[in-house]
Amino acid sequence: DIVLTQTPLSSPVTLGQPASISCRSSQSLLHSDGNTYLSWLHQRPGQPPRLLIYKISNRFSGVPDRISGSGAGTDFTLKISRVEVEDVGVYYCMQATQFPLTFGGGTKVEIK
Amino acid sequence: QVQLQESGPGLVKPSETLSLTCSVSGDSISSSCWSWIRQPPGKGLECLGYLCHPGSANYNPSLKSRITMSVDTSKSQFSLKLSSVTAADTAVYYCVRYVGAIDIWGQGTMVTVSS
Repeated sequence: DIVLTQTPLSSPVTLGQPASISCRSSQSLLHSDGNTYLSWLHQRPGQPPRLLIYKISNRFSGVPDRISGSGAGTDFTLKISRVEVEDVGVYYCMQATQFPLTFGGGTKVEIK
Repeated sequence: QVQLQESGPGLVKPSETLSLTCSVSGDSISSSCWSWIRQPPGKGLECLGYLCHPGSANYNPSLKSRITMSVDTSKSQFSLKLSSVTAADTAVYYCVRYVGAIDIWGQGTMVTVSS
């Protein structure tokens, strides 16, 4: 199975300041079809996760442009340019390049 | 808009079979792939498997021969059966739509394995 390692585990952030989360894969996520199936999810307490970013950098419907994704191969990053209260929660990266789909361990974003 | 709703018993006895159903609305069950994801209390996410109809299911090898997923197109539902459950199977179970990413999630249903 592909292992996804997220850092940091926890990220206390001041409102209005940026936040960044890293996701490193145990092997390249470039699929033979030319796509890289790395996505980012956000989960608030008591809620299901929701999709933020798919295929590295594509924002899902309704996701604000202060949230962005980047990376290639085995190293990926999620950035929030200015953290707002609604951004609190746990962020997961997920790969769908190889079955079984696997998830990072999660990064908890909280307000200082 | 696409909506998913899980249903099934919230309590299952050890060694018995966990059975869940997901009702799909707003999308044809034959036009996408569907999956089950679970999350033990306070822990991370695990994909149990997925299926695309028509076609065969793909199961997480970690579940070995305990899992079965199926689709009922007449009811626009897909289902999960997990046999010989133990306390380690206690989790919130989500049904989801899988399109290269997981774009739609059900609200989740908590299943506890206990006698």
